[in-house]
Amino acid sequence: DARVTQTPRHKVTEMGQEVTMRCQPILGHNTVFWYRQTMMQGLELLAYFRNRAPLDDSGMPKDRFSAEMPDATLATLKIQPSEPRDSAVYFCASAPVVRTETQYFGPGTRLLVL
Amino acid sequence: SQQGEEDPQALSIQEGENATMNCSYKTSINNLQWYRQNSGRGLVHLILIRSNEREKHSGRLRVTLDTSKKSSSLLITASRAADTASYFCATVYISSGSARQLTFGSGTQLTVLP
Repeated sequence: DARVTQTPRHKVTEMGQEVTMRCQPILGHNTVFWYRQTMMQGLELLAYFRNRAPLDDSGMPKDRFSAEMPDATLATLKIQPSEPRDSAVYFCASAPVVRTETQYFGPGTRLLVL
Repeated sequence: SQQGEEDPQALSIQEGENATMNCSYKTSINNLQWYRQNSGRGLVHLILIRSNEREKHSGRLRVTLDTSKKSSSLLITASRAADTASYFCATVYISSGSARQLTFGSGTQLTVLP
């Protein structure tokens, strides 16, 4: 049963600390998306990659957020330094080569910055 | 910013009843999708309807699309307690040379009472 995995599932950290979230897309999927979900803003697209190349990261605060795909099986989202307003659930989603409209979501990383 | 807006924000019904959720969007779309999110989980794709389609069925789900009114509805027939979740519409437009992005609405929280 292929699925997107994310680690960690929960993260509590103090303001100013670096946070790294990891995502393993479904094998063979070539498009990876990062979303942030909060009660106030709902689901927001932060960045996405196709074939490991960043296509759009306009939704991401550039000064503190960075997203990379070191290889086809790993996507990372880093926040440095973290702030309380970054508290949210961060989702990774992947999509296959042909049917990029349908996205498959991971379980999310619930981040709390104190 | 969210393109789709769902209505109602919350819906509570008895098991066996039908549930109808509506979604409105603002700009021209390629297709519209509905996703479900159980509490504490990632989103799960339910159904996709293309801009040249008016109605689509999948099991107990029926989706309609009215491009002239820029609106869609999701009908769940014979609801079950397990249908309790948040339901999101997501619109897709095509950016030339890039992956197809999803823009999510604010969601409808459905509660099905046993």
